Amino acid sequence: GAVVSQHPSWVICKSGTSVKIECRSLDFQATTMFWYRQFPKQSLMLMATSNEGSKATYEQGVEKDKFLINHASLTLSTLTVTSAHPEDSSFYICSARGQGAFSSPLHFGNGTRLTVT
Amino acid sequence: DAKTTQPPSMDCAEGRAANLPCNHSTISGNEYVYWYRQIHSQGPQYIIHGLKNNETNEMASLIITEDRKSSTLILPHATLRDTAVYYCIVRVGDTDKLIFGTGTRLQVFP
Repeated sequence: GAVVSQHPSWVICKSGTSVKIECRSLDFQATTMFWYRQFPKQSLMLMATSNEGSKATYEQGVEKDKFLINHASLTLSTLTVTSAHPEDSSFYICSARGQGAFSSPLHFGNGTRLTVT
Repeated sequence: DAKTTQPPSMDCAEGRAANLPCNHSTISGNEYVYWYRQIHSQGPQYIIHGLKNNETNEMASLIITEDRKSSTLILPHATLRDTAVYYCIVRVGDTDKLIFGTGTRLQVFP
């Protein structure tokens, strides 16, 4: 149980275009999902908390107009990288907590590798 | 926020136990310790978590010291497929946030 799926697994786009990444909880409902990004040989950096039915909460230094997050249902959150530039090339990963006790662990998707040319 | 400190890298022979340490000296009484691992180009995989008692599952064992200031993840019989970066994380207060540190790169060799 507690499977988180991301789509696409990789995407290449041209500079100036926008890219949407989907994160789905397949067998549970997630009122909260999290978006991370990871540069090569670095750790995961939390970007934002996605809340179903309300605005996302962004970590300090993350541009909310650049990284649009929509969490319209209990099983789907999307991250849109707007007007992408080469420096936005990264590995984007989402996570959600399975149902159960508050101590239940977060489960992660397999990530989306974005390359902006 | 409680932070964790881990050695940057460790080696382990295949078939031997891998013991990965983690310090979390500022952990609060109600904060859990979580362990994840990340194999190259994949999302983090949950391993185990605990509050103050030792825990064991099919993947690993977690030993937490009595003062809760440190813990050790034990992979009882390491295999080559256990080569990964292992992250010890303390959840942020009453939130669901997990803030990743730099982790330990475990290399299992034949």
